[in-house]
Amino acid sequence: QKEVEQNSGPLSVPEGAIASLNCTYSDRGSQSFFWYRQYSGKSPELIMFIYSNGDKEDGRFTAQLNKASQYVSLLIRDSQPSDSATYLCAALNAGGTSYGKLTFGQGTILTVHP
Amino acid sequence: GAGVSQSPSNKVTEKGKDVELRCDPISGHTALYWYRQSLGQGLEFLIYFQGNSAPDKSGLPSDRFSAERTGGSVSTLTIQRTQQEDSAVYLCASSPTLGLATQYFGPGTRLTVL
Repeated sequence: QKEVEQNSGPLSVPEGAIASLNCTYSDRGSQSFFWYRQYSGKSPELIMFIYSNGDKEDGRFTAQLNKASQYVSLLIRDSQPSDSATYLCAALNAGGTSYGKLTFGQGTILTVHP
Repeated sequence: GAGVSQSPSNKVTEKGKDVELRCDPISGHTALYWYRQSLGQGLEFLIYFQGNSAPDKSGLPSDRFSAERTGGSVSTLTIQRTQQEDSAVYLCASSPTLGLATQYFGPGTRLTVL
């Protein structure tokens, strides 16, 4: 079983819609969670991180964390074609010699069509 | 300020040759991470450094892989006797400290083993 799982998609939404990206994790000790965006042929860039239960908003992006359900999500409001990319969810290892290690999911491909 | 830099950006080598990949982290960042991304795959953790120490080498795929970091700055990932399955993009990231701090990624080195 993968430690961080994402639906690989592709997820296709029309321009202006809300895109919902989901992620589950298996390690209950994971403390923080990160969403990265990766355009084709480019390196990942951080969108936002979350470490408290609930919602965290940043512009058009909202991250949601539910530690009881071991579930993280990213909502993108008013989706734009420029949001089309692969979205990577990552969990930060909590301790031991792996402290600081990010475990990534496989990524979800998002396509926003005009 | 300058971001994470990696060199070379592209490397084509013949099977059985050794290669060295270099990462120059953001100035002042004490933590440095190496990941590998194969075509269409998520990021695979290889190794991280806190200062010049590498507490967790469990992600290195085989004993052909090694990494070092000197002076708490530049890191080199060495792959000996390269195999075709080593072909991937090798990404380096750095963060100010280990743990909760955001990891910033370099542009990657695309390695092709013929």
